[in-house]
Amino acid sequence: EVQLLESGGGLVQPGGSLRLSCAASGFTFSNYAMSWVRQAPGEGLDWVSSISDSGDRPYYADSVKGRFTISRDNSKNTLSLQVNSLRAEDTAVYYCAKLLRSEFFDYWGQGTLVIVSS
Amino acid sequence: EIVMTQSPATLSVSPGERATLSCRASHSVSSNLAWYQQKPGQAPRLLIYGASTRATGIPARFSGSGSGTEFTLTISSLQSEDFALYYCQQYYNWYTFGQGTKLEIK
Repeated sequence: EVQLLESGGGLVQPGGSLRLSCAASGFTFSNYAMSWVRQAPGEGLDWVSSISDSGDRPYYADSVKGRFTISRDNSKNTLSLQVNSLRAEDTAVYYCAKLLRSEFFDYWGQGTLVIVSS
Repeated sequence: EIVMTQSPATLSVSPGERATLSCRASHSVSSNLAWYQQKPGQAPRLLIYGASTRATGIPARFSGSGSGTEFTLTISSLQSEDFALYYCQQYYNWYTFGQGTKLEIK
């Protein structure tokens, strides 16, 4: 059974940083691209970042480019998102999602909530 | 950026009836379209990909159609567990989602 378990969210002041993690199990992690997708309270889904199966190709939405860094450790089946220079508009539930064929998200974690507020 | 527009925002349908949800892309996405279901407090669940292929374990009452810029998700004979939020997503040019359609009990 595929499982994705996020952690690392919390309350942070504007301009602050967090490191989000996603522990994956139930599939061969190193064979699949992975992504982060976020959802602001009461809002829709918003793609944030993706990374290739090998980890050498990261991709970012324009809204987070230069502030967020995606990475993965295939030896530990872990996906990470370093989020810096946080803004109020970054407040959201951040979901870790498995990409199938680098096209659509076939499995999602339960999410971790990031609140940016002073 | 390809903008995805879903309609209606809210759809009220009685159990047992058919629901038809629409999704329009600002540019052609060919058949690179997926549908997701999201219930309150839960993560999204993949329903349909390739515009019309059901994901693993998705009941046959869910069907998708369309290509280019116009897409439809149809749920025949609505069950109580089908009342939820539904999102479309294009993957022709990166990834963008529609704003969602809330399917509520009439």
